[in-house]
Amino acid sequence: QSVLTQPPSASGTPGQRVTISCSGSSSNIGSNTVNWYQQLPGTAPKLLIHSNNQRPSGVPDRFSGSKSGTSASLAISGLQSEDEADYYCATWSDSLNGRVFGGGTKLTVL
Amino acid sequence: EVQLVESGGGLVQPGRSLRLSCAASGFSFSSYSMNWVRQAPGKGLEWVSYISSSISTIYYADSVKGRFTISRDNAKNSVYLQMNSLRDEDTAVYYCARELLTDLDYWGQGTLVTVSS
Repeated sequence: QSVLTQPPSASGTPGQRVTISCSGSSSNIGSNTVNWYQQLPGTAPKLLIHSNNQRPSGVPDRFSGSKSGTSASLAISGLQSEDEADYYCATWSDSLNGRVFGGGTKLTVL
Repeated sequence: EVQLVESGGGLVQPGRSLRLSCAASGFSFSSYSMNWVRQAPGKGLEWVSYISSSISTIYYADSVKGRFTISRDNAKNSVYLQMNSLRDEDTAVYYCARELLTDLDYWGQGTLVTVSS
């Protein structure tokens, strides 16, 4: 299983607000910044949030990230059908000396 | 425009070798660290390896340590992944990704490696 723990699925209706959690430990999330990636069906992952809560240019402000202690979360407000994708959290692990990903959360827009 | 184009994937028998390439363009390649990340069919993302811009620092995931070797040629704007002693569980789409500070900010489209007899 993955070093970072995410719920396997999440869902919401258009316009709703959805949050996806990512749980780690002191050696990964607790001591490093968290990134979030969006992977639309059949495409490569795309950086969605960096440095815990920063959006790259072009990412809508409907997407926001936060981190507290050894956990992080991604919030999507004003849910849209095009947000249907897999979402992954990631960070560096000091104990493993490598990057670690969450198992991914499949977001369904009902 | 930043572009990363992977190549070299294909069908290979267990125990054999394969070399992946990633050609970069649209940015100053020699200034950036690079990574390989893979995704098994229907599964999540798994980080594979990292190489710093100056080649002074290299890391591997435990699952590939001793079998895979990352390298780069800054004159050719390319990063490589030499994969030896391939196993069934190495079957995946392999992505190269540029690293900006601690983020993988650009990804290639991936190349599929299938290990099967």
